[in-house]
Amino acid sequence: DAKTTQPNSMESNEEEPVHLPCNHSTISGTDYIHWYRQLPSQGPEYVIHGLTSNVNNRMASLAIAEDRKSSTLILHRATLRDAAVYYCILTGNQGGKLIFGQGTELSVKP
Amino acid sequence: NAGVTQTPKFRILKIGQSMTLQCAQDMNHNYMYWYRQDPGMGLKLIYYSVGAGITDKGEVPNGYNVSRSTTEDFPLRLELAAPSQTSVYFCASSKGLYTGELFFGEGSRLTVL
Repeated sequence: DAKTTQPNSMESNEEEPVHLPCNHSTISGTDYIHWYRQLPSQGPEYVIHGLTSNVNNRMASLAIAEDRKSSTLILHRATLRDAAVYYCILTGNQGGKLIFGQGTELSVKP
Repeated sequence: NAGVTQTPKFRILKIGQSMTLQCAQDMNHNYMYWYRQDPGMGLKLIYYSVGAGITDKGEVPNGYNVSRSTTEDFPLRLELAAPSQTSVYFCASSKGLYTGELFFGEGSRLTVL
């Protein structure tokens, strides 16, 4: 199964952009890159996903490297509410399995 | 829309007891999942289902059983509860396999004493 590697934790200041990296060097051509986040004491929530091209939505942007071996989730202006654990997940080669890694714990300072 | 509904939200079990965590979704999603999350850890996939009548093991299936008799329901059965099964359990569903957004329930917190 394709694996992802993320930093354990990151810090950001409020209203500044945040770039959350994810390495997935064994990604296959059919794997989609998904990002979820989990706020304290809540279930995970979907953030964004993509295959090859960069993607934007109301929550964030996803920048995918040309070789697809890494990606970056971009929060354009961090708020205190963005403090959460962010998970980068690959889907595709695992059949129905969606495997979460350890994620990156993002803290946001006022 | 209710989305994904899990019951109960909290439960305390004694060692050796059995129970079923219920999960229901009203979005007509084919794919459903059960995860567990131990304190301070990430989510581990227990079982998943790609449609009614079809289930498969995830990363940590031992001590659990599932069934999927309808599209809407995906109950998780714990047989002979052990302290190691103390965790928060999340049910999720999705429409698509690779591109679908996962919708999660609010979680069921289980303590085994």
